[in-house]
Amino acid sequence: QSVLTQPPSASGTPGQRVTISCSGNSSNIGGNYVYWYQQLPGTAPKLLIYWNNQRPSGVPARFSGSKSGTSASLAISGLRSEDETDYYCATWDDSLSGPVFGGGTKLTVL
Amino acid sequence: QITLKESGPTLVKPTQTLTLTCTFSGFSLSTSGVGVGWIRQPPGKALEWLALIFWDDGKRFSPSLKSRLTITKDTSKNQVVLTMTNMDPVDTGTYYCAHSPYGGKFACDHWGQGTLVTVSS
Repeated sequence: QSVLTQPPSASGTPGQRVTISCSGNSSNIGGNYVYWYQQLPGTAPKLLIYWNNQRPSGVPARFSGSKSGTSASLAISGLRSEDETDYYCATWDDSLSGPVFGGGTKLTVL
Repeated sequence: QITLKESGPTLVKPTQTLTLTCTFSGFSLSTSGVGVGWIRQPPGKALEWLALIFWDDGKRFSPSLKSRLTITKDTSKNQVVLTMTNMDPVDTGTYYCAHSPYGGKFACDHWGQGTLVTVSS
C-alpha cells in the first residue's frame, strides 16, 4: 500500500479539465512540498510539478498543482490525447525520513 | 545537463545479492544540497523509494527494506552504488536512480532510464 492515496483512474474528453487528487497526512503532505510526475509507458517518470505548484522549464502551462492541508491536486486543462498516461504524486515524509509516493493514477482521454 | 544511468545485472537468482551502479553527469555529489536516490517499480505497479545518499554522506533507507540495503557514493567517479541482499522474486522490477537538488528533503527532478531486474532461478 502506498503512503499517499491517489484515485487509480481518471478520465476526460479532449479539451476538458481534469484533476487528480493526492491525500496524505501531517507528517508528509501537511508539512512538505508536493511533487507530481508523468510516466509514459516504458519510460522513466518525468517531473511535472515541484514545490506544490511550480512547473519546470518545458512543462506546458496546461499542467498546474495545488495543495491544501494534507491534500494536493494536479489539474490538467485543455486535455489532449498525449496526456493519456500515468501520474504520480510524491512528497517527503518526516516520520519515515524519506520520500513517499502515491499509488499512481491512470488518466484516460476518451 | 544532468543525466543518470543505471547499470547492473538483468537477472539474479533468489537469495543472491544485487549490486546496481548509478553513473551520473552534470552535477557533483559533493555540492551542498544534492542527493541521489534509488526508486523501484514492480511491473504494472507503483513507485517505491529504496534508499538515498546526500552530499554530506548522510543516508536514508526505506524502513521496510533497511536491513537489506547498502548505499555508497564515489564522488570522484560520479557514481552511487546500491546493494540489496537476499533477493526474492517479489523484488523483480525496474530500478531507477534519481537526482535531487532540494537539500535534506529529497525529491527527484531528474531520473535515469531505469534498469529491469528479474529475480528468478
